[in-house]
Order: sequence, then structure tokens, then C-alpha cells
Amino acid sequence: QLQLQESGPGLVKPSETLSLTCTVSGGSISSSSYYWGWIRQPPGKGLEWIGSIYYSGSTYYNPSLKSRVTISVDTSKNQFSLKLSSVTAADTAVYYCARRPIDYDSSGYYYVYFDYWGQGTLVTVSS
Amino acid sequence: EIVLTQSPGTLSLSPGERATLSCRASQSVSSSYLAWYQQKPGQAPRLLIYGASSRATGIPDRFSGSGSGTDFTLTISRLEPEDFAVYYCQQYGSSPGLTFGGGTKVEIK
Repeated sequence: QLQLQESGPGLVKPSETLSLTCTVSGGSISSSSYYWGWIRQPPGKGLEWIGSIYYSGSTYYNPSLKSRVTISVDTSKNQFSLKLSSVTAADTAVYYCARRPIDYDSSGYYYVYFDYWGQGTLVTVSS
Repeated sequence: EIVLTQSPGTLSLSPGERATLSCRASQSVSSSYLAWYQQKPGQAPRLLIYGASSRATGIPDRFSGSGSGTDFTLTISRLEPEDFAVYYCQQYGSSPGLTFGGGTKVEIK
């Protein structure tokens, strides 16, 4: 059974860099069949996609966060990571990591969805 | 930028009733890019539907998705006690890429 587990500091000071790691177990992050992503959810609010990475290291980010986000992958540890710089209180959220299969419909259009999620970790930005 | 608007914001129903949730896109969305998730308090979202109408593995057949273009619907044919939760639709397109709707809360009447 695939499992994803987020880890990292629960408290970050304003203007500093938030760093989280997602450890994948029960499957290989090096599979060519998946992207791996980060999604966040401010308390009491909706979901926001942050960005995604392929095992090769290719990334794509939400343009609204792109200037502050770096997602990287460490295949030797079966992990991928998120760095978000210059954080403010608005970055306080539960951060989830998730798996996105590379899957196609019968017409050759690719599906986009996240099928496995970590339990999430709350990161609070406060001095 | 494609914006997903979910309605109603809250749906108050009794167990056994039918729930119909709407997700409207500001521009046409490929059906293959439309997914639905269920989220319960303190839990991660759970994939229900992908490709607008395909049920994810292990999802009961009381959940169904339909729609195309700009209008998509999630239907729960008969609400079970465990179905009371918040539901999100999600789409993928050009900038900003992947986005979620604001959610519909299905609460017990």
C-alpha cells in the first residue's frame, strides 16, 4: 500500500524559508508513471496546488507562487521536497504531498488527478 | 485563468436523500481534466471521480460524475452517514495550471 508522509518544522518565522519533505513508501518515486505534487490548505479554506515534479527533476509550478517555490526530488531516498521562501502569515496552511498518475483516456487525452495523499502537516508562520 | 465555482456552498440533506453538487468552469474544460474529491475534517482529500465520470478505485457506485464543457455534476444517489463532508472539484489547464473549486459542504439536515 502506497503511503506518503510529510515532515518538517511546524513553525516558521516570517521572511524565512519553509522546508518540507515527503517520504514515499510502498512504491518507487522513480516510476515513469507518476508526477508528485504539493497542495496546501489554509485553515478553514480551500485547496491550492503549489507545484509538481517528475522523477527526472522536471517541475511545474503555480504561477502565483513560482517566484518563491522550489520542488526537488531525491530518488535515492524516495523523497521529494518543497521550499517556499519569504513566507508570510498568508502561507500558514496544512501542506499535503500527493501522487499524480500519468494516465490517459481512450482518446489519448491525459487525466489529471491526485490519487494518493499524505495526511498533511500544519505549518504556521509566526514570529 | 479558469475559475471553478461550486454550488451550493452548503447542502443540507438527510441520510438516504440524493445530493447533486455543481461545478461550473469560467471557460470550457476538457473532461479528462476534471476530478472530484471528498474531504472530512482533519483528513486529506480523497479522490472520488476522475475524467469527469470515472470512479476511483474503491469508490461506491452511489457516487457518480457527469458533465462536459463548463458544467459538471457530482451526484450521490443515496446519502450514507459517512458521506457528510466537503466536496471539491479540480481542473487542469493553462496558467495557473491545476485549480480547485471552493468546495460544497454536505451537512446533515
